[in-house]
Amino acid sequence: NAGVTQTPKFRILKIGQSMTLQCTQDMNHNYMYWYRQDPGMGLKLIYYSVGAGITDKGEVPNGYNVSRSTTEDFPLRLELAAPSQTSVYFCASRDRSHGTEAFFGQGTRLTVV
Amino acid sequence: GQQVMQIPQYQHVQEGEDFTTYCNSSTTLSNIQWYKQRPGGHPVFLIQLVKSGEVKKQKRLTFQFGEAKKNSSLHITATQTTDVGTYFCAANAGGTSYGKLTFGQGTILTVHP
Repeated sequence: NAGVTQTPKFRILKIGQSMTLQCTQDMNHNYMYWYRQDPGMGLKLIYYSVGAGITDKGEVPNGYNVSRSTTEDFPLRLELAAPSQTSVYFCASRDRSHGTEAFFGQGTRLTVV
Repeated sequence: GQQVMQIPQYQHVQEGEDFTTYCNSSTTLSNIQWYKQRPGGHPVFLIQLVKSGEVKKQKRLTFQFGEAKKNSSLHITATQTTDVGTYFCAANAGGTSYGKLTFGQGTILTVHP
């Protein structure tokens, strides 16, 4: 019963560095999401996917890229890290049946210095 | 795009007092979900509302969906310290953006013993 697994849990990046936040789910969910949450703020949708090979932009996609080559995995790529990307990142997934609940990973706390 | 506004942003109550958070959408929703995030944790699903005018209860929590399916509320009766956290509403998009899940800004609830 792993659910949604995110790695790493914490990371410190220097400005201009790149990294990939990993997200994998074992529930065979079609829908997957990446959100960022700044301190004391809400969840902003970065990208989402409704199935393997299909991705779409959310509210704040600039500076990020995603891919969805398999149902299980939905990595988030930061190409040139900036201090504005310091945040907590959550991956979530849910079944394709309309309106089902989303399951969240534990989050990745990223600091860009 | 679809916007979901949630108020208030913060609410401080004494233990035993009631609490209400409101969610308003710019468009008619097919359904709405509510999540709770404990401090330092990840969002956890509470409930989903689908029908116009629907009211659901979970112990001290009462959830309502407006008649026009554009607004929703969460009411907690006689708050306890265990209710501390951030409460989010989340709207499912339809049409060409099916699968997209947009969260409100959240209401941070503090309960003073």
